[in-house]
Amino acid sequence: AQSVSQHNHHVILSEAASLELGCNYSYGGTVNLFWYVQYPGQHLQLLLKYFSGDPLVKGIKGFEAEFIKSKFSFNLRKPSVQWSDTAEYFCAVTTGYGQNFVFGPGTRLSVLP
Amino acid sequence: DVKVTQSSRYLVKRTGEKVFLECVQDMDHENMFWYRQDPGLGLRLIYFSYDVKMKEKGDIPEGYSVSREKKERFSLILESASTNQTSMYLCASSQTGLRGFYFGPGTRLTVT
Repeated sequence: AQSVSQHNHHVILSEAASLELGCNYSYGGTVNLFWYVQYPGQHLQLLLKYFSGDPLVKGIKGFEAEFIKSKFSFNLRKPSVQWSDTAEYFCAVTTGYGQNFVFGPGTRLSVLP
Repeated sequence: DVKVTQSSRYLVKRTGEKVFLECVQDMDHENMFWYRQDPGLGLRLIYFSYDVKMKEKGDIPEGYSVSREKKERFSLILESASTNQTSMYLCASSQTGLRGFYFGPGTRLTVT
């Protein structure tokens, strides 16, 4: 069965610090990869997604992620975080013939002003 | 804009009650899903449906059932609510191919 792991349960940063959230998945075939964000009290929203092509994907709000197939990883990055980035971040994967998303456990990001 | 709506944002029920959570999507999506979200556990799939009257068990179906009589509506049923079912319940929908997932706002259910 597929699984998704996220390296950190809770990350605390100061504003302007750089961010990298780790995501690894366990599936050897074709995958589609996603990062979702959930701001306090709000819906889950799509940040970015990778289906094929350039492994460096740019999303909304200055986020980007890099797909490294050999490492089964899809890490999320942002060069300079803001207080408004405080949220929970979820990595998710679907397989080529899957009928479901598999989500990681989430990483809570707290950005201190 | 795709809209996925859930019948209640907050719900408080007593142990043993039958609970219905409703989800409606307006984009003619084939696939609909019910997840529960718990701190430290992320989103866990309860049930999903890829067509009307079709349902598949997810990772944690015990204590739950679902109904999909119409394409736009997917209901989650707790036959006899228990305190360990206190959680945030999220509905989602997507088109075939799963290239995008649209979530509802969630229902926070408390079972006392």
